[in-house]
Amino acid sequence: RKEVEQDPGPFNVPEGATVAFNCTYSNSASQSFFWYRQDCRKEPKLLMSVYSSGNEDGRFTAQLNRASQYISLLIRDSKLSDSATYLCGNAGGTSYGKLTFGQGTILTVHP
Amino acid sequence: NAGVTQTPKFRILKIGQSMTLQCTQDMNHNYMYWYRQDPGMGLKLIYYSVGAGITDKGEVPNGYNVSRSTTEDFPLRLELAAPSQTSVYFCASSSINPQETQYFGPGTRLLVL
Repeated sequence: RKEVEQDPGPFNVPEGATVAFNCTYSNSASQSFFWYRQDCRKEPKLLMSVYSSGNEDGRFTAQLNRASQYISLLIRDSKLSDSATYLCGNAGGTSYGKLTFGQGTILTVHP
Repeated sequence: NAGVTQTPKFRILKIGQSMTLQCTQDMNHNYMYWYRQDPGMGLKLIYYSVGAGITDKGEVPNGYNVSRSTTEDFPLRLELAAPSQTSVYFCASSSINPQETQYFGPGTRLLVL
């Protein structure tokens, strides 16, 4: 089993839709979790970090389920500009901050 | 602030050639990382460093070497380039607290022919 797994998609949704991605992880010692957004041919940029049960920032909500070892990202009222690849990452139970990433989920929001 | 900078942006190598990918950060971050990203794939950790003079292997270190002589710089060396090393390489850094956000550079696209 991969350390971090994501549904690669692609997810094609209309503007205004609500869409959710899941990310499962195998390292139960993981302490912090991150969602990064990556635009085509660009570097990843942090979207949200999650250290406890969840986090919310405007239209974006991340939730952590430690019992089932997954983290989700919910995007409400999708915008065309939300089209990107969303990478899930977690930092394991070490002090070195090594992130392990999933393969990413592609989201396309259409008019 | 420049953040994390990488050079070159793009490079074509012939099989067997060597090169160094440069990475510099101006945020005084202790932690620095090198990742590679193949098409349609996530990021795989090549090497990382927790401070000047300290480096360690990541998930896919074979064919690469690194050094960390200063806090700011973390170059990645490719010896004897192979087609399998065709990829996009990202350098990243994070603060003293290793659980904090990683900031990525713009990437170097490498093509080995």
